Amino acid sequence: QVTLRESGPALVKPTQTLTLTCTFSGFSLNTTGMCVTWIRQPPGKALEWLAVIYWDDDKYFNTSLRTRLTISKDTSKNQVVLTMTNMDPVDTATYYCARLSVGLAPRAFDYWGQGTLVTVSS
Amino acid sequence: DIQLTQSPSFLSASVGDRVTITCRASQGISSYLAWYQQKPGKAPKLLIYDRSTLYSGVPSRFSGGGSGTEFTLTISSLQPEDCATYYCQQLNSYPPAFGPGTKVEIK
Repeated sequence: QVTLRESGPALVKPTQTLTLTCTFSGFSLNTTGMCVTWIRQPPGKALEWLAVIYWDDDKYFNTSLRTRLTISKDTSKNQVVLTMTNMDPVDTATYYCARLSVGLAPRAFDYWGQGTLVTVSS
Repeated sequence: DIQLTQSPSFLSASVGDRVTITCRASQGISSYLAWYQQKPGKAPKLLIYDRSTLYSGVPSRFSGGGSGTEFTLTISSLQPEDCATYYCQQLNSYPPAFGPGTKVEIK
């Protein structure tokens, strides 16, 4: 059974760095084709893709946010960590992590965490 | 970056109606298009991947079609539980953008 769960602060101040952790089970990031990705959704708005990390440590980032994002994995803990620097109130959103399979079906985000709401405010 | 648009942005239909949502890509994306359903306060759920492949457990009233730069999600007989927002996503190249969403309401 595949599960993912996001954790991190509910409130951050402007200019601070946000650190979110995705803890997953039911699959391994040591397995070829497995990836974990992050997506966010401001209140009442659409989904926005942020970043992905591959089993082989390859990484891709949102074009407009790439200078603010880092992503890393700890395969021994089944965790993926996303950091976003210089947070602003417009970054207030629910942040989701999800699984992506590459070279395997389905080529889509098939399992999602429940999401964690992050509010940026002083 | 590839951009996606969806039409309509809002749709109101009756139970039993056939409804179709269109997703257009700014350039060709082969068949690497997925559709998701999101209900308020919940994470999105995968409905269809690779343009037309129904994900496990998804009711057969959902179907996907199209090709090239224009794709469709069809619900053959709208049910009350289908009230949700639907998003398309391209997975042909990075970044894997989402469309702006289509909100489906039951009349």
